[in-house]
Amino acid sequence: SQQGEEDPQALSIQEGENATMNCSYKTSINNLQWYRQNSGRGLVHLILIRSNEREKHSGRLRVTLDTSKKSSSLLITASRAADTASYFCATDYYGNNRLAFGKGNQVVVIP
Amino acid sequence: EPEVTQTPSHQVTQMGQEVILRCVPISNHLYFYWYRQILGQKVEFLVSFYNNEISEKSEIFDDQFSVERPDGSNFTLKIRSTKLEDSAMYFCASSANGSYEQYFGPGTRLTVT
Repeated sequence: SQQGEEDPQALSIQEGENATMNCSYKTSINNLQWYRQNSGRGLVHLILIRSNEREKHSGRLRVTLDTSKKSSSLLITASRAADTASYFCATDYYGNNRLAFGKGNQVVVIP
Repeated sequence: EPEVTQTPSHQVTQMGQEVILRCVPISNHLYFYWYRQILGQKVEFLVSFYNNEISEKSEIFDDQFSVERPDGSNFTLKIRSTKLEDSAMYFCASSANGSYEQYFGPGTRLTVT
């Protein structure tokens, strides 16, 4: 079965810098979503990109999707200490809302 | 802003006992989900629920698991006879009709001893 799979990264960056993380998946998808999880908390939906979209922006977030490479990237610009969290990509294969999550990227933003 | 709530936040139970995890989805949402996250592992889909019936379930969701919407607001996950390997964080989520975005609750940490 297809799964979102992030590059297993632990990013440590200075406040104000940009953070980029990647996700790859194995089979065709309906959409791909990015979620944030603060330590010990629930998952917060950040952004959704559909399979027919290539790029999407939401505030300081920029998501790209390359269906030919079966990969996506999440860019957080001008990072803040409050962006410290784990970031997960999740793929929706059939558009049936059965999300397949990757392992997550830990991002630490140093003030 | 409306949010998904879950109770309890932490449940400790002995192996073989039944547990019920409770969730209150966002009020106008029609689709409900349970996921779990074993410590250090990926978030895994368990089940989705729509129109008072299961619409999808994973291989994890065996006969030990059941879900119910007992009234107009609650959505529950029951584990009939817990095993050590059921220890995990369990997340409830809901989504609106026609939307792929899922809203997650804060989770219930289940510890089976």
